Amino acid sequence: DIQMTQSPSSLSASVGDRVTITCRASQSISNYLNWYQQKPGKAPKLLIYAASSLQSGVPSRFSGSGSGTDFTLTISSLQPEDFATYYCQQSYSTPHTFGQGTKLEIK
Amino acid sequence: EVQLVESGGGLVQPGGSLRLSCAASGFSFGTYWMSWVRQAPGKGLEWVANIKQDGSEKYYVDSVKGRFTISRDNAKDSLFLQMNSLRAEDTAVYFCAREVISTWDFDYWGQGTLVTVSS
Repeated sequence: DIQMTQSPSSLSASVGDRVTITCRASQSISNYLNWYQQKPGKAPKLLIYAASSLQSGVPSRFSGSGSGTDFTLTISSLQPEDFATYYCQQSYSTPHTFGQGTKLEIK
Repeated sequence: EVQLVESGGGLVQPGGSLRLSCAASGFSFGTYWMSWVRQAPGKGLEWVANIKQDGSEKYYVDSVKGRFTISRDNAKDSLFLQMNSLRAEDTAVYFCAREVISTWDFDYWGQGTLVTVSS
């Protein structure tokens, strides 16, 4: 199985900050990497698919990059509604494993 | 509007069974792979199983193989998860999700249904 490792596990930041979350795969997954945002008590929401493609309706302050084993999610200017938990997920092979999550909190 | 609505969760004793359902609407259900993803209380997301459009291919995470069965009824736009021999570690919110062909991301999710395995 492909293991996905996110860092950091938690992050404190302020409104307006630029934030980067990283995700590393245990083997190459090409660009089969997706990012989700989850708020408490809610279903995850797709933000980025295929490593760098912005899902329809998602604000442009979210961006993704990377290929192979190393990927990043960047939020260019944090907004109050962005405080949530973020997960990466590989869709290269089954099982479609997720990273452990990054909880983004208000500083 | 795409909608996925799960049902069937509840409290079950260890060793028991439960069948989850996911009712789909707003899209051509029979043309998409579908998945179940779960989340234990306070924990991260875990993909559980998926099924091809016509039901001819099914894949499972190792921890549920031989105990869970994913199925679908395209005539009724419904996805199912039959869970047998349930264990305490199966306690979680179970989400159904639609998979996008070619990128295999989950672009739509249901609201989830809680399964609690406890005596």
